[in-house]
Amino acid sequence: DIVMTQTPSSQAVSAGEKVTMSCKSSQSLLYSENKKNYLAWYQQKPGQSPKLLISWASTRESGVPDRFIGSGSGTDFTLTISSVQAEDLAVYYCEQYYDTPYTFGAGTKLELK
Amino acid sequence: QVQLQQSGTELVKPASSVKISCKASGYTFTSNYMHWIRQQPGNGLEWIGWIYPGNGNTKYNQKFDGKATLTADKSSSTAYMQLSSLTSEDSAVYFCARLGSGDWGQGVMVTVSS
Repeated sequence: DIVMTQTPSSQAVSAGEKVTMSCKSSQSLLYSENKKNYLAWYQQKPGQSPKLLISWASTRESGVPDRFIGSGSGTDFTLTISSVQAEDLAVYYCEQYYDTPYTFGAGTKLELK
Repeated sequence: QVQLQQSGTELVKPASSVKISCKASGYTFTSNYMHWIRQQPGNGLEWIGWIYPGNGNTKYNQKFDGKATLTADKSSSTAYMQLSSLTSEDSAVYFCARLGSGDWGQGVMVTVSS
């Protein structure tokens, strides 16, 4: 199975701060045929279903604010929130869909400083 | 708009089985994979498997082989997951989802307790 490792596990932030979180996979998620990285980012708030923010490592879903930026390739990926808002406090998960079983990281929890 | 409406909370006894449902609307049910994901209390997300309702093909996470059985009813656009031989370890929230499109059900909490 592909192991997804997210760091940090939690991060205390203030509104307006720039935040970065990391996701590393145990093998490359870059498919050579189409040059796409099979990596997604989700946001989950308490009591809610996960919300897809970014697919293909860097493609923002419709309606997702442009302060959410996905980057990286191969085995190293980053989610950046350029200026954190109060409504961004949540747990963020990365997920690989390169191969089954699809696997998720353990999450990065954003908390208020 | 796309909706995935899941069945309600379940309280079940150890060693029993439970079948939860996910009714889809707003898209072509038979042409999209339906995934199932588990989230244990306070924990992360685990992919259980998918079913392709168009032909009934399934793919399971080996971890859930023998534990989860995925089926689909094309006539009612409803996907089902049966969980068998339940233990306290199976207490969790179970989601159905069209992963590629970002559509998720609201989740079903299953509690296994005597």
